[in-house]
Amino acid sequence: RKEVEQDPGPFNVPEGATVAFNCTYSNSASQSFFWYRQDCRKEPKLLMSVYSSGNEDGRFTAQLNRASQYISLLIRDSKLSDSATYLCVVSPLNSGYSTLTFGKGTMLLVSP
Amino acid sequence: DTAVSQTPKYLVTQMGNDKSIKCEQNLGHDTMYWYKQDSKKFLKIMFSYNNKELIINETVPNRFSPKSPDKAHLNLHINSLELGDSAVYFCASSHTTGAVGTDTQYFGPGTRLTVL
Repeated sequence: RKEVEQDPGPFNVPEGATVAFNCTYSNSASQSFFWYRQDCRKEPKLLMSVYSSGNEDGRFTAQLNRASQYISLLIRDSKLSDSATYLCVVSPLNSGYSTLTFGKGTMLLVSP
Repeated sequence: DTAVSQTPKYLVTQMGNDKSIKCEQNLGHDTMYWYKQDSKKFLKIMFSYNNKELIINETVPNRFSPKSPDKAHLNLHINSLELGDSAVYFCASSHTTGAVGTDTQYFGPGTRLTVL
């Protein structure tokens, strides 16, 4: 089983739509969770961290279910500029050093 | 004001050659990383250095040798390049507090290596 699994997509949505991505992780010792965004031929950039209680940043809402080892990202009112690959990222307990395990990403295409 | 920079941005070379990629960060971070993103877009950690000391070394062929002359630099030297080394190599850095968990990693723009 892959450490971090995501539906690769692509998800094709019109502007203004709401879209949700899911991710599952296999390492139950994982302590930190993130969503990164990667534009075509660019570097990954942190979109948001994911907290146990769920958290929101503008149009983006992230949820974490530790029992099911499941993370989600909801994007409301999609913009053309949201088109990118969204990477689910987890970090296990590892002596305090950052060891990020990336999923392969879910591609989102927002059309006019 | 580039936070994490890499050179070169593109590198095209023949099989068997030796090449280096340089990385520098001006964020004052103490931990730096090298990642490889292959043609299937899978991003995987290769190495990590904290304060110039190697702390993570994934199962990478010993043809790959990282070198950290100081906290702000982490270079990657690759000997005897093979076709399978073709990928995008990303450098990243973070500030590690030593607490459980992790800190935001900032990535460089990537070096696209093509081995012919």
